[in-house]
Amino acid sequence: GAGVSQSPSNKVTEKGKDVELRCDPISGHTALYWYRQRLGQGLEFLIYFQGNSAPDKSGLPSDRFSAERTGESVSTLTIQRTQQEDSAVYLCASSPPGGRAEEQFFGPGTRLTVL
Amino acid sequence: AQSVTQLDSQVPVFEEAPVELRCNYSSSVSVYLFWYVQYPNQGLQLLLKYLSGSTLVESINGFEAEFNKSQTSFHLRKPSVHISDTAEYFCAVSEPGGFKTIFGAGTRLFVKA
Repeated sequence: GAGVSQSPSNKVTEKGKDVELRCDPISGHTALYWYRQRLGQGLEFLIYFQGNSAPDKSGLPSDRFSAERTGESVSTLTIQRTQQEDSAVYLCASSPPGGRAEEQFFGPGTRLTVL
Repeated sequence: AQSVTQLDSQVPVFEEAPVELRCNYSSSVSVYLFWYVQYPNQGLQLLLKYLSGSTLVESINGFEAEFNKSQTSFHLRKPSVHISDTAEYFCAVSEPGGFKTIFGAGTRLFVKA
């Protein structure tokens, strides 16, 4: 596609349930990022994938959060046993080979609401 | 560690008035600086960036920002805003060649008729 796409656009779940959020990066982009945007706050870095290198998971807030990426395409962010504080917009971004911060293209985000 | 402070959470202005959205950063190393814009129900878009060279950078829709190293600021300005500029604006910083970007909390610009 022309840009980064994310699905679903909105997700409402009950506390304790697991959720999966999907990101389709721009074709040819080797780097992929996940961010979390809580209401009234800036974007928090969660995880970074670059090609076949080991991902940088330093931003994941707890072991309930995990992410996978299939080659240089789709990525899935999984949140297990969701808590109300997980409610946020989850943003995905991708960038061309080299993966420099100044070349990120963002998706529209998934708004997660945990009841 | 790097950090970004956006001093105003909301800025209401009338159409055709000038506006300045403030951004200050802290970093112990050299930086790249960015402004991103998020229009309602859309993803973040890069508005402008400072990497090196001229400290005044401009966007295609009339915004400009000036890198001030001594004041560690990168304020965003526009001399005359339009209704269509209503959006949330995020200031961000990264290290040259790095992949991590640190974002401010955002400033919601609301342009009134």
